[in-house]
Amino acid sequence: DADVTQTPRNRITKTGKRIMLECSQTKGHDRMYWYRQDPGLGLQLIYYSFDVKDINKGEISDGYSVSRQAQAKFSLSLESAIPNQTALYFCATSAELAGGRNEQFFGPGTRLTVL
Amino acid sequence: SQQGEEDPQALSIQEGENATMNCSYKTSINNLQWYRQNSGRGLVHLILIRSNEREKHSGRLRVTLDTSKKSSSLLITASRAADTASYFCATAGSGSARQLTFGSGTQLTVLP
Repeated sequence: DADVTQTPRNRITKTGKRIMLECSQTKGHDRMYWYRQDPGLGLQLIYYSFDVKDINKGEISDGYSVSRQAQAKFSLSLESAIPNQTALYFCATSAELAGGRNEQFFGPGTRLTVL
Repeated sequence: SQQGEEDPQALSIQEGENATMNCSYKTSINNLQWYRQNSGRGLVHLILIRSNEREKHSGRLRVTLDTSKKSSSLLITASRAADTASYFCATAGSGSARQLTFGSGTQLTVLP
């Protein structure tokens, strides 16, 4: 089974709708992240969480919210979706290891289209 | 804003040749990482190099880091068609949070 799973994998919705993307992990990591990727570009950080009680905004948090329901679950919500939120969304996890190692492990992504 | 910028944006080579991708960044780092992404898939971590290291190897991968020039390179030797993917560098800042900042990637195509 995959260590980091995302649901749904694909979603088409309409402008103004509320959407929730979910992420679950079995790696036992404390840190979880949400990124978006636009075509031909790198990843932009939306939100990150270092534990259940710690939520932080990333570089592009406007229009998004998150909930860390448990160590293993981190969900991303679009309260009122707009077309420029059409993108590929990735969840990732990491653990802070010795020497500052913090490589991240990614889910398979959710392709979201907002019409 | 993108911390890391990869060069070139796209690279096409023949199988068996070496592929070199470069990454430049702007601020001080704790470490620099390279990731691979097959089309439409999640990123996969390849290798991490710490700010006090200059070179690191993993299989057919060789990474160098020059902190004075704020640049890194990823060399893939004896490339295979299966190496076709996008490659991203990501920098971890020197602060306590150390979240990653990703570059825009190099699209590598290895022709059989």
